[in-house]
Amino acid sequence: EIVLTQSPATLSLSPGERATLSCGASQSVGSNSLAWYQHRPGLAPRLLIYDASSRATGIPDRFSGSGSGTDFTLTISRLEPEDFAVYFCHQYGSAPRTFGGGTKVEIK
Amino acid sequence: QVQLVQSGAEVKKPGASVKVSCKASGYTFTGYRMYWVRQVPGQRLEWMGWIAAGNGDTRYSQKFQDRVTITRDTSATTGYMELSSLRSEDTAVYFCARALSGRACDSWGHGTPVIVSS
Repeated sequence: EIVLTQSPATLSLSPGERATLSCGASQSVGSNSLAWYQHRPGLAPRLLIYDASSRATGIPDRFSGSGSGTDFTLTISRLEPEDFAVYFCHQYGSAPRTFGGGTKVEIK
Repeated sequence: QVQLVQSGAEVKKPGASVKVSCKASGYTFTGYRMYWVRQVPGQRLEWMGWIAAGNGDTRYSQKFQDRVTITRDTSATTGYMELSSLRSEDTAVYFCARALSGRACDSWGHGTPVIVSS
């Protein structure tokens, strides 16, 4: 199965700053079938990005995804207060579907 | 809007079974798969299995194959995940999510905490 490794584990930033999150895959993700989610405690995970770089419906354009093959990036251009949360990547190109360990974006 | 509403928290003894439900609304239930995913505290999410809500086809992770059963009730637009022979390591939050085949899970439930303790 494809192992997804996210870095860093924790990112300490201030509102207004840029956040760059990485997701590395142990083997190439088929068709760049890689998604990013935001997860706040007690809430449902929220799809941000699918197919590596397509924004989901209703997602602000400060969220962007890039990458292909084994290296993917989620960028939040300017952090808003509501963006402090855990972010995880997910590959759905190969069975079984797998998930990254998550990056916590916390307020500095 | 699409909603997946899960049943409430459960506390079970080792060896027991738990059945978690996921009520879907806001979309054509039979047009999607329903996935079940869990997160053990401190660990990453792991896929357990899915059911095609239309024809009832299922696929399970090898890790859970012998203990998990995923079903659905199309009239109630509800999916179910039953995990048997519970052990303390099954203490986790269990999520349902919907997806089309080969597509990202685009809507998730809020999660159902299951605690297994004697």
